[in-house]
Amino acid sequence: KAGVTQTPRYLIKTRGQQVTLSCSPISGHRSVSWYQQTPGQGLQFLFEYFSETQRNKGNFPGRFSGRQFSNSRSEMNVSTLELGDSALYLCASSLGASSAYEQYFGPGTRLTVT
Amino acid sequence: DAKTTQPPSMDCAEGRAANLPCNHSTISGNEYVYWYRQIHSQGPQYIIHGLKNNETNEMASLIITEDRKSSTLILPHATLRDTAVYYCIVRARNAGGTSYGKLTFGQGTILTVHP
Repeated sequence: KAGVTQTPRYLIKTRGQQVTLSCSPISGHRSVSWYQQTPGQGLQFLFEYFSETQRNKGNFPGRFSGRQFSNSRSEMNVSTLELGDSALYLCASSLGASSAYEQYFGPGTRLTVT
Repeated sequence: DAKTTQPPSMDCAEGRAANLPCNHSTISGNEYVYWYRQIHSQGPQYIIHGLKNNETNEMASLIITEDRKSSTLILPHATLRDTAVYYCIVRARNAGGTSYGKLTFGQGTILTVHP
């Protein structure tokens, strides 16, 4: 079974631009979560989607948004990019949204904002 | 979610068992203990999780104390490829509430396996 895939793997953007990252979960998984990883803050939870509904949101500004499609694929968008948004963005999928289900992570998208 | 405490770093000789401790003294009865690891610049990898009983899979064993206030992840025969940051995470079990589903990562333990 294929794992979680994320596209693109690397991205360079300029301050003020916006970016959209994509995540395809493991087949049959209905929950997708997004995380941001930076050297200073570590791994931080962004949001979680299940059945096209956002179920949980971390402490990030409104510039960070996401959505989930009917096939469980998910996208996250960051508008008006700032230098501090440079990070590894990780997507994780699980069978369901309960904490009983383990989350499987993709390889991440490395975003650099210049 | 309950807070966890892990040593910042540990060393292990290749071929020996690696025992990674985690303290979660404020854990409640409805919270799972999860272990993940992250090899440099890759996505975290799920290892194992448990609620009360000890668990074993092809990667590792998880030993949870009877009072559930601490646990130990055991890699039975460590290899150089097990060098990674290991995260112990406590997740609320019940649906609902702001912690529903999410993983809260701490600083983890950097495990270095030596030849």
